[in-house]
Amino acid sequence: DSGVTQTPKHLITATGQRVTLRCSPRSGDLSVYWYQQSLDQGLQFLIHYYNGEERAKGNILERFSAQQFPDLHSELNLSSLELGDSALYFCASSVSYNEQFFGPGTRLTVL
Amino acid sequence: SQQGEEDPQALSIQEGENATMNCSYKTSINNLQWYRQNSGRGLVHLILIRSNEREKHSGRLRVTLDTSKKSSSLLITASRAADTASYFCATRGAGSYQLTFGKGTKLSVIP
Repeated sequence: DSGVTQTPKHLITATGQRVTLRCSPRSGDLSVYWYQQSLDQGLQFLIHYYNGEERAKGNILERFSAQQFPDLHSELNLSSLELGDSALYFCASSVSYNEQFFGPGTRLTVL
Repeated sequence: SQQGEEDPQALSIQEGENATMNCSYKTSINNLQWYRQNSGRGLVHLILIRSNEREKHSGRLRVTLDTSKKSSSLLITASRAADTASYFCATRGAGSYQLTFGKGTKLSVIP
């Protein structure tokens, strides 16, 4: 158990819908990262938050947004969902430049 | 985009044999990390090697780094069926918290 929690574990929704994925980092970790893992694109970095502030953006679509709250939990919002958004979404947290601790992921299926 | 490329994409060995996976990357790095992922689950950090290090050991794991060739290798000695998983290298650039992952090597250890 990495100490990072993600909810929900599975999400099935339809095209055009909007969903919110939630992540709670390890106690004391100020950084939260979001990744998308799909068969064709592999593991792609989406966005990094540090203590509530956005620090870096990767291959994140404009339809996606994220935020980190004062209690350090983070949410990833995905809107106008398309079939191609079906993937595993991981959250990770870290306290430093070193290792990241990954949550169990949310499997999103868009029908 | 993927920074690292693992080689081979898939590897099947007998229990007790050694497994070697390679990773190449494109830009200068601060450190390189290896992660393991059991099917559909979260990634687990295995080992980190800094850009000024050439070799590092952790239990049955040995990692080498050649910054002149922009490559790294992960050796798992005396493999076990429980080592069956996908292995990813991830690089971190200077001044950046984010990790860039390769596409992974899928290791199967046959009992």
